[in-house]
Amino acid sequence: DSGVTQTPKHLITATGQRVTLRCSPRSGDLSVYWYQQSLDQGLQFLIHYYNGEERAKGNILERFSAQQFPDLHSELNLSSLELGDSALYFCASSRQRVNNYGYTFGSGTRLTVV
Amino acid sequence: SQQGEEDPQALSIQEGENATMNCSYKTSINNLQWYRQNSGRGLVHLILIRSNEREKHSGRLRVTLDTSKKSSSLLITASRAADTASYFCATDAGGRETSGSRLTFGEGTQLTVNP
Repeated sequence: DSGVTQTPKHLITATGQRVTLRCSPRSGDLSVYWYQQSLDQGLQFLIHYYNGEERAKGNILERFSAQQFPDLHSELNLSSLELGDSALYFCASSRQRVNNYGYTFGSGTRLTVV
Repeated sequence: SQQGEEDPQALSIQEGENATMNCSYKTSINNLQWYRQNSGRGLVHLILIRSNEREKHSGRLRVTLDTSKKSSSLLITASRAADTASYFCATDAGGRETSGSRLTFGEGTQLTVNP
């Protein structure tokens, strides 16, 4: 157990639907990052939150949004789902805003869009 | 897009042998990190090397960084079957004071250690 908790572990949903993925960072970590891992794109950075504020944004689709709450947990919302959104979604956390010690990753949410 | 390119894409060795994986990147970096991923599971941080460091050791791991060539290597000595996994390099380009942090991952090397 890395200390980063992601729920659910697996999610199967239909095209056009909306889902919410949840992440609880390791205790004491203020930064939360979301990554998408797919066979064709590899590991792609989506977004970084630090202490409730968005700090960096990657190639995140407009259909995707995220937020970090006052208790530091984060949610990634994916809407109007397409088959190509099927992937592993990872959350990672770190103590600081600028990371010099490595990230702690959760075990991921496997999203299958059918 | 992927910043890092890893070489080889796949590596198969016998237990007890050393495994070397290489990573090249394109832009200047703040640090470079190596992660391991067992099939379909979360990534585990192995080691981080800062841009002003040339070599770092952690147990059976040795990482080198050559910023002039924009390349890094990960050496696993005396490999074990349990080392079988995918290994990714990831670069952190750092940011301005108000920006955040992001890692750009390579495509990974699939290491298989045969008993």
